Amino acid sequence: AQTVTQSQPEMSVQEAETVTLSCTYDTSESDYYLFWYKQPPSRQMILVIRQEAYKQQNATENRFSVNFQKAAKSFSLKISDSQLGDAAMYFCAYRSPRGNFGNEKLTFGTGTRLTIIP
Amino acid sequence: KAGVTQTPRYLIKTRGQQVTLSCSPISGHRSVSWYQQTPGQGLQFLFEYFSETQRNKGNFPGRFSGRQFSNSRSEMNVSTLELGDSALYLCASSLGLAGSRGETQYFGPGTRLLVL
Repeated sequence: AQTVTQSQPEMSVQEAETVTLSCTYDTSESDYYLFWYKQPPSRQMILVIRQEAYKQQNATENRFSVNFQKAAKSFSLKISDSQLGDAAMYFCAYRSPRGNFGNEKLTFGTGTRLTIIP
Repeated sequence: KAGVTQTPRYLIKTRGQQVTLSCSPISGHRSVSWYQQTPGQGLQFLFEYFSETQRNKGNFPGRFSGRQFSNSRSEMNVSTLELGDSALYLCASSLGLAGSRGETQYFGPGTRLLVL
């Protein structure tokens, strides 16, 4: 079974600075998907960014970008120009491709709580 | 386009009771998945429904069940509630089957269930 590890329970960053959240995963599959979700105090889970393992290029979404290192099984999230609204719990998640019955669900890490310091 | 909606948002029940939670996916989405979130266990997958059929199931006891209707709305039922069932229950929808290439799941705001 796949596992996702987020080793930083809490992180903090000054407003307007850059912060990187770490995520590693364990899998024997070559094709899969990786996601970062954000969960603010409202508890709504919001998709931040996704990465498909077969794509070499790192995904970016405005101020959010990932560093995907397939060989190292690492998938870190970089948030540039941090804003107060970025304060939330961030979850890294893994999904197998369809066809791998029983594993198409999202497997989540334990989350990293990000605090933005004004 | 409206997002995923879940009702009710908050619920208080007592042990032994049963509860039904509802999830309406984004319009046009046919897949609905359910997750349980607790401080101790984190986010755990319950099940996925697509075209009224359960396609995938997590490691939960039979007290947890679900169904999906022809309009893709889904309900989740928990019978004989236990204290440990207190959690945030999240549902997520996607256009096609979860895990299909290009698919992304979008989450609802969750239903917070407290069992006393």
